[in-house]
Amino acid sequence: GNSVTQMEGPVTLSEEAFLTINCTYTATGYPSLFWYVQYPGEGLQLLLKATKADDKGSNKGFEATYRKETTSFHLEKGSVQVSDSAVYFCALLNQAGTALIFGKGTTLSVSS
Amino acid sequence: GAVVSQHPSWVICKSGTSVKIECRSLDFQATTMFWYRQFPKQSLMLMATSNEGSKATYEQGVEKDKFLINHASLTLSTLTVTSAHPEDSSFYICSAREMTGTHKGNEQFFGPGTRLTVL
Repeated sequence: GNSVTQMEGPVTLSEEAFLTINCTYTATGYPSLFWYVQYPGEGLQLLLKATKADDKGSNKGFEATYRKETTSFHLEKGSVQVSDSAVYFCALLNQAGTALIFGKGTTLSVSS
Repeated sequence: GAVVSQHPSWVICKSGTSVKIECRSLDFQATTMFWYRQFPKQSLMLMATSNEGSKATYEQGVEKDKFLINHASLTLSTLTVTSAHPEDSSFYICSAREMTGTHKGNEQFFGPGTRLTVL
C-alpha cells in the first residue's frame, strides 16, 4: 500500500544553517507529493508540492524535487531562520486523489 | 486564500459525554471534507471522508457509531465523538477540498485543529 517515511526528529540547527529533511515513499502509480508545515498552535499549511517526476516544488526558500528513481522527495533550504521552527510533514496523494497519506512529521528547531 | 475554521479549538469533557466539533470552509464551498486524528508526535491518520449530502466513508478501524460525521451543507461538516473516553483524547483536524471554483482541484485546506481532552 501507500506509505511515507520521513526522518526522525527533532532536527536542531543554528540560524543560517543548511536544512535537509529526508522523505521517501511507497506508492502504486504516480502520486502527487507534498510538504506541509505546522507552526506551533496552528493548522497544517501547504508548503510546496510536485505532481510528476522531476518536478521541483519551491516556496519560501524551501525546495523539494520529485525523484521517481529513488522514490524520494527530500526537503531542503539553504539558510534556515528561527521563524522556520515548526513540524514538517511529507505526504502523498494517492493516484485516485482520494487520500492524503502523511509521514510522522519532523520537528525543526532553529536557534539564533 | 482558502480558509478552514474549526470550533472549538480546545474542549475538555467528562468521560461518557458526547462532543461535537465543527469544521467550516469560510470562503469556498467544500464538496469534500476530511477528518484526521493526530496523536502526540505522530502522523495524521485519516478517519473518514465526507461528501456533502451523502454518508461519510470511514477508514478501516474507525468506529462509525463512535465518530459520527455529518456534512449537511457545502460549508459545514461536524464530527461528534459519542460517549467519549480518555483514549479518545487527541487532536482532531479537518480539511476541505473544493472541486469547482477558485480553489478547485485536489488540494486540501486544513483547519487549525481541535484538542479534545476526556477526563
